[in-house]
Amino acid sequence: ILNVEQSPQSLHVQEGDSTNFTCSFPSSNFYALHWYRWETAKSPEALFVMTLNGDEKKKGRISATLNTKEGYSYLYIKGSQPEDSATYLCARNPGSSNTGKLIFGQGTTLQVKP
Amino acid sequence: DTAVSQTPKYLVTQMGNDKSIKCEQNLGHDTMYWYKQDSKKFLKIMFSYNNKELIINETVPNRFSPKSPDKAHLNLHINSLELGDSAVYFCASSQGPAGEETQYFGPGTRLLVL
Repeated sequence: ILNVEQSPQSLHVQEGDSTNFTCSFPSSNFYALHWYRWETAKSPEALFVMTLNGDEKKKGRISATLNTKEGYSYLYIKGSQPEDSATYLCARNPGSSNTGKLIFGQGTTLQVKP
Repeated sequence: DTAVSQTPKYLVTQMGNDKSIKCEQNLGHDTMYWYKQDSKKFLKIMFSYNNKELIINETVPNRFSPKSPDKAHLNLHINSLELGDSAVYFCASSQGPAGEETQYFGPGTRLLVL
């Protein structure tokens, strides 16, 4: 994998369903992985920053895990609600500790139906 | 109180014109960024300044020139606008330039070149 890839590109779930999506990235020269939530017509909003292999972060019903050795991160949403509908972006910082350069994936767009 | 603000929100202009987009952050951050959302919806880093010093300068036409008059402001000037410059431009800021610092995004400036 040369860049950051996210799957699936889009997802439709029913309210109450739990869901997860994947961010894949090159495992070499890893420094940090960021997850953002981006609602239509708003700014991307930071969810998590993860740096260590095995990291797990949680914010309410949303959690994320990180595997730097195999180059992937999962984002989980438990009991999806309509307000969770958004595009979820992940971004990798490519091994530089002194610049905030982020390489973004194309995002996973989640639609939660009431 | 908007943390990262951009002006204008929308900009429609003719090919060949010169235009500027302004960004201001009131978070007391040292580092600011410009991103371009391309036609495939990817967010791509263009420039970053830390304490008014240019630290990221990606492969961007030299018609694009960033200027940081102080830590709280990062402007983007574009000369001789081309049709392909039409995009959404996002400004962001972070506490410092390190790869694990959370970046806070502005609302975006939608540029349309006719």
